[in-house]
Amino acid sequence: DGGITQSPKYLFRKEGQNVTLSCEQNLNHDAMYWYRQDPGQGLRLIYYSQIVNDFQKGDIAEGYSVSREKKESFPLTVTSAQKNPTAFYLCASSPRAGYTEAFFGQGTRLTVV
Amino acid sequence: KNEVEQSPQNLTAQEGEFITINCSYSVGISALHWLQQHPGGGIVSLFMLSSGKKKHGRLIATINIQEKHSSLHITASHPRDSAVYICAVNERGDKLIFGTGTRLQVFP
Repeated sequence: DGGITQSPKYLFRKEGQNVTLSCEQNLNHDAMYWYRQDPGQGLRLIYYSQIVNDFQKGDIAEGYSVSREKKESFPLTVTSAQKNPTAFYLCASSPRAGYTEAFFGQGTRLTVV
Repeated sequence: KNEVEQSPQNLTAQEGEFITINCSYSVGISALHWLQQHPGGGIVSLFMLSSGKKKHGRLIATINIQEKHSSLHITASHPRDSAVYICAVNERGDKLIFGTGTRLQVFP
């Protein structure tokens, strides 16, 4: 079955450590996105990539980094510079840049202690 | 003021009731989405609208472009409909702006 796989579902890290969240899609989509969800707030865009080897900052990119070495993979690293990393992170993809429909993964809940 | 506003924030209903969730937006859009987020967190796309009305099973979504307003209706609600319903709009191209969601609980 085609879809977007995020792993792990739950992740715990100590403060000051970098952590990488995985997002893989087998939909052959060009565009991929990372969103952050906090209680009482709408999802906010962290980074997005419209094509392999290219990505742009979203609205809240500070403290995060991404790579897009393969079409199917768009990992997100939460660095120690991110002041409030505890959140729910969602990955999404769409067939191509400018295509309005997005497909979402199941999310990763990151807790930093 | 958020660019996408949803109401109500929380909604409880008895099984069988007709439910309406509203979404208003302040920007020009190319499409509006209704999404469903279950307690586990994963998001499923319910509808994508650019005009008119769409129906899927017990779910109906409408949009009024002139009034910048959309509604999601659930007929004959069921406890399995309990979830967070999120409205999102494409302002330009593929980037989405999300509402804060409406938490629905349907009791037997």
